[in-house]
Amino acid sequence: NAGVTQTPKFRILKIGQSMTLQCTQDMNHNYMYWYRQDPGMGLKLIYYSVGAGITDKGEVPNGYNVSRSTTEDFPLRLELAAPSQTSVYFCASSLLAGGHTGELFFGEGSRLTVL
Amino acid sequence: GNSVTQMEGPVTLSEEAFLTINCTYTATGYPSLFWYVQYPGEGLQLLLKATKADDKGSNKGFEATYRKETTSFHLEKGSVQVSDSAVYFCAPTFGIQGAQKLVFGQGTRLTINP
Repeated sequence: NAGVTQTPKFRILKIGQSMTLQCTQDMNHNYMYWYRQDPGMGLKLIYYSVGAGITDKGEVPNGYNVSRSTTEDFPLRLELAAPSQTSVYFCASSLLAGGHTGELFFGEGSRLTVL
Repeated sequence: GNSVTQMEGPVTLSEEAFLTINCTYTATGYPSLFWYVQYPGEGLQLLLKATKADDKGSNKGFEATYRKETTSFHLEKGSVQVSDSAVYFCAPTFGIQGAQKLVFGQGTRLTINP
């Protein structure tokens, strides 16, 4: 029962470095999301995708890029890492669309520290 | 715009106490309402949901009722257990271009002491 798998779980970056957070889901969900969770705060949507080849910005997209070449994978790329990007990142997926369906399935999170 | 206000934590209770975590939202439409729970070291998982006014969501002894007149979705449990210690997030959801946009509250950290 893999569900949503994120790698790596932990990473320390230096300012200006780049990296990619990987996210894979095996539930054949069309919809995928990247959130960041800052200490004591709720989750904020970075990017989302409604299907392969289609992505769009969320609330806090600056400093990030995404791609969705397959249904399963939705990597998040950080270019020129900054201390403000220190956070816990969650990938999520959902099967259905619209406002009345519901459940998002979350990965376990990736804790990123930029020094 | 759409937003959510959740009771601030942390909340510390003794086992078997009654729990209420308040959640109110502002919305231009009628969102579906969700509570998610995050156990230590894990991702979020759905606890319960309600999709229309007066619906009651329930799971694991937790309940919440969709109150349209007060735009609220308070989480309650009659007798909490140590295993309920976690962070709880209220999350109204709004459809955006076919996807679901959940607006998360800041989370309420709950600690239950034996």
